[in-house]
Parts: sequence; structure tokens; C-alpha cells
Amino acid sequence: EVQLVESGGGLVQPGGSLRLSCAASGFTFSNYWMHWVRQVPGKGLVWVSQSSTDGSVTTYADSVKGRFTISRDNARDTVYLQMNSLTAEDTAVYYCTRGMRVGPWGQGTLVTVSS
Amino acid sequence: QSALTQPASVSGSPGQSITISCTGTSGDVGAYNYVSWYQQHPGKVPKLIIYDVSERPSGISNRFSGSKSGNTASLTISGLQAEDEGDYYCASYRASNTWVFGAGTKLTVL
Repeated sequence: EVQLVESGGGLVQPGGSLRLSCAASGFTFSNYWMHWVRQVPGKGLVWVSQSSTDGSVTTYADSVKGRFTISRDNARDTVYLQMNSLTAEDTAVYYCTRGMRVGPWGQGTLVTVSS
Repeated sequence: QSALTQPASVSGSPGQSITISCTGTSGDVGAYNYVSWYQQHPGKVPKLIIYDVSERPSGISNRFSGSKSGNTASLTISGLQAEDEGDYYCASYRASNTWVFGAGTKLTVL
């Protein structure tokens, strides 16, 4: 069974940092681009970032460019999202997904930026 | 990065068909056949129901279909059922090697 499990969310102060992890299982992780998508509770989905299969190509939404970094460890079947200079506007549930044309999505991890 | 345009809400009675539109630009929806649709029930994780404009993943009912004309993609749900009620989002690949979602459409089954 294909499974994605996010972790690393929590409460962080404005200006702080957090690293999210997404552990994959049930498929050949190194064959798939991986994405992060976020959703403010009660609001819509927002695409955040993607990584190519080997991590050599990464792209970001304008809202996080320069602050967030996506990376992956194919030996550990895990993709990461390093989030720096966090603001209240980054408060959301963060999902990882196996491609935007494949799925599935993980259950999400909540990031709350507040003092 | 402006979101794709979707109607805020649509509704229909059981058994009817409804269509949700998703309007982008010549740089995203109009340029690529990489439009996906997701269904999200309250408190649940989004679920892929259409990819590449009109392809259905394994296990998705053939009541769900997708199409595209110009800069507008559409999701049609036929034979509407109570379990179809929820939020629907479109997403498109765009020229900057990024992706963009629509703002979402709330489907109410009357």
C-alpha cells in the first residue's frame, strides 16, 4: 500500500524555522517527483514546492521562494521541507504528495506560526 | 501567481449532472494537458479524481469526467450522489515549472 506520512509540524514563533519530513512507503520513491501543498484550515489548497526524482530540480511558489527549501533522501525514501523566516501567513496544514498527477497525499502536518 | 478561477459553489439534485469550470491562462491550462482535479470531504485529505485533463485514476467512478477547451478545464459529475458533496479543486502545471490550484468549489447535493 502506498503511504505518505508527514511529521515535524508544530508551534513556532514568527521568524523561526521548522523542518517537515514526509516518509514514503509502498512504492519506488526515487521514481517520483514529490510535492508539498498547504492548506489554511477552512481555506483552499496552495501548491508550495516540488522536487525532481533525484533532487536536482526544485521549484517554489513565489510566496515561499527564498525562505523554503525542498530536499529528498532517496536512500531513506523521505522528502523534506525546510521552512525559514516563518510568518503568520505560513500557518497551515502541510501535505506531501506523490506528484500532482498520481497521488496519494499524506494526512498532513499542522504548522502554526504564532507568538 | 494568481489562482485558477473556479465558481465558489455549485449544487444539484441526486441523479443530475453538474459541471465545475476552471479557468486559467494561455500559460497554464491553455498550454498544457496537465490539469488535475481533487475531491476533498470535510476534515479529509484531498483525493485525486482526474489527471491529465480527462484521465481517471484506478478506482475512481466513471461518473467523474474531465475536459478542456482553450484556457478552461471542466469537471463533470453525472448521476450525482449524496457522497459527492464536498469541495473540488482544479490544478494546472504552468510554464514556470510550477503548479497552481483553483480556489475551490463547494458542491452541495440538494
